[in-house]
Amino acid sequence: DAGITQSPRHKVTETGTPVTLRCHQTENHRYMYWYRQDPGHGLRLIHYSYGVKDTDKGEVSDGYSVSRSKTEDFLLTLESATSSQTSVYFCAISEREGIYNEQFFGPGTRLTVL
Amino acid sequence: GESVGLHLPTLSVQEGDNSIINCAYSNSASDYFIWYKQESGKGPQFIIDIRSNMDKRQGQRVTVLLNKTVKHLSLQIAATQPGDSAVYFCAENILGGKLIFGQGTELSVKP
Repeated sequence: DAGITQSPRHKVTETGTPVTLRCHQTENHRYMYWYRQDPGHGLRLIHYSYGVKDTDKGEVSDGYSVSRSKTEDFLLTLESATSSQTSVYFCAISEREGIYNEQFFGPGTRLTVL
Repeated sequence: GESVGLHLPTLSVQEGDNSIINCAYSNSASDYFIWYKQESGKGPQFIIDIRSNMDKRQGQRVTVLLNKTVKHLSLQIAATQPGDSAVYFCAENILGGKLIFGQGTELSVKP
């Protein structure tokens, strides 16, 4: 998985609780992304980062926040988890933006919100 | 484990046959495409990519064909093996923006 780890790999939580997912890379890539993957949908971008402390929203960012204090770590926080956020979350990294921005994915985190 | 979806298009082939997986992309301005493979319980794995100024690109046992006229992309896998069983999906990049992913096709290889 291209030097990308995600933690935890599985998590079950209750509605209303905060949750933080971590993505760690050893490739020193500038760009990092958080996606969610749900039945009936392709991968959908939540947030992305184009450098330390530089982040921006994706298409499904409501209810999520991110932080990147180091090149290697990108955190995704669900401020107050809801059942609609039950999903599989993938982190991805890329060396560049624009054309030839091939992205490499981590193993995923399965989150269940009860 | 992590899986894509319950109602994906499915392609079933015999081991040793060639497989062709198709993808219709959405935007005529897309200039870069990637094929990914996702096995059950794993993250998507990069297979091969192609720029819009090409109509064919070959890798090891895989070939991607691009038909810009009808906005169609295909992935050909030669001599399909049981280890090729997975969900395959394409992604498109529009004018240097973010990648947009399709939902995928499930490939099942019968021994």
